[in-house]
Amino acid sequence: QKEVEQNSGPLSVPEGAIASLNCTYSDRGSQSFFWYRQYSGKSPELIMSIYSNGDKEDGRFTAQLNKASQYVSLLIRDSQPSDSATYLCAVHPSGTYKYIFGTGTRLKVLA
Amino acid sequence: GAVVSQHPSWVICKSGTSVKIECRSLDFQATTMFWYRQFPKQSLMLMATSNEGSKATYEQGVEKDKFLINHASLTLSTLTVTSAHPEDSSFYICSAPTSGGANEQFFGPGTRLTVL
Repeated sequence: QKEVEQNSGPLSVPEGAIASLNCTYSDRGSQSFFWYRQYSGKSPELIMSIYSNGDKEDGRFTAQLNKASQYVSLLIRDSQPSDSATYLCAVHPSGTYKYIFGTGTRLKVLA
Repeated sequence: GAVVSQHPSWVICKSGTSVKIECRSLDFQATTMFWYRQFPKQSLMLMATSNEGSKATYEQGVEKDKFLINHASLTLSTLTVTSAHPEDSSFYICSAPTSGGANEQFFGPGTRLTVL
């Protein structure tokens, strides 16, 4: 059973701080990794994709991938109250058409 | 990013009726689309994979005769909830992955179904 695990939270950070969200996955052959943001009552929105080991930055977001340790993380710099949402980690394992989603981490940014 | 639309965005129906939900990829072709269901405060649950030109693949525990999926073209998949009951009330979301190396999956805005 291919799995993706996330801490459900809530993770509370003050406005302006760095929020760090983590995700581990079980399928060592996975090649594609994604972070989605989901506001309450809305569908998930893709915010980052990463395919190679190391860091990938996009604005205030940085995704980090470590395939040897099988984890992927998302850093949000200068967190804003509008970043308060559930963040879903998704993995596209090898040999399957499916994407495996974690259960999500709920982030609260306190004003 | 790529755009996926869904219609309707919400629907209220009486118990026993059927409801059809459409999912369209607007700016790319999708040979595969996914249908998810999400109950309040719960995780996304994959219901089925829709394949253009062939039968859908259903996840374990999902009744294929109740949730009919048709992938009529490279840009359209439909989910029909047949003989809907109150327990089918949920948030139904479709998604489609782009082709090529990125394989990024984009979600439609979702359809909120309420069965009275």
